[in-house]
Amino acid sequence: EDQVTQSPEALRLQEGESSSLNCSYTVSGLRGLFWYRQDPGKGPEFLFTLYSAGEEKEKERLKATLTKKESFLHITAPKPEDSATYLCAVADNYGQNFVFGPGTRLSVLP
Amino acid sequence: DSGVTQTPKHLITATGQRVTLRCSPRSGDLSVYWYQQSLDQGLQFLIQYYNGEERAKGNILERFSAQQFPDLHSELNLSSLELGDSALYFCASSVSGGRQFFGPGTRLTVL
Repeated sequence: EDQVTQSPEALRLQEGESSSLNCSYTVSGLRGLFWYRQDPGKGPEFLFTLYSAGEEKEKERLKATLTKKESFLHITAPKPEDSATYLCAVADNYGQNFVFGPGTRLSVLP
Repeated sequence: DSGVTQTPKHLITATGQRVTLRCSPRSGDLSVYWYQQSLDQGLQFLIQYYNGEERAKGNILERFSAQQFPDLHSELNLSSLELGDSALYFCASSVSGGRQFFGPGTRLTVL
């Protein structure tokens, strides 16, 4: 059974304090790993797709990396507007299972 | 704006009632997914349709059903509503099993 766990559950950072969020997964053939950002009461917003170990993607202050068992979302010099819940999800090779992790709730304090 | 639309935005109803939530996917997307998100909970996958046919089922209750129509819009029907069904319901669409684009959600409150 495909599974996704995320850590930490919640993270509070000072503005400018860089950190990383972890997503660990088990899947029967990874088709893709996805990162989303979700603001309270809103739908998840797509950030990145990673397909194979060693792949990296960047967007502004965010950088996502992938290994065979986990993915990291690195946040460099975060700003208060980066505060949100960050969700990780995996899709298997059959394309029928799309499993979300529980998310990491990030708060960036000014 | 993801291109996925959901109506209504808010729905308030009573226990025992039945409601229908509607979703229009992004242009060109054949797959539609439904998720439930209760307060401070993660996204729970309910069901997926691909080009009108059911493709995958998650933790969807028997009181819930969905369908996808020839124009690819989808409806999620919730019946015999209980207090615990109060949640945000999201629809997402994708081309075919790839990255999903989410709608703004329907907030259901059951009183």
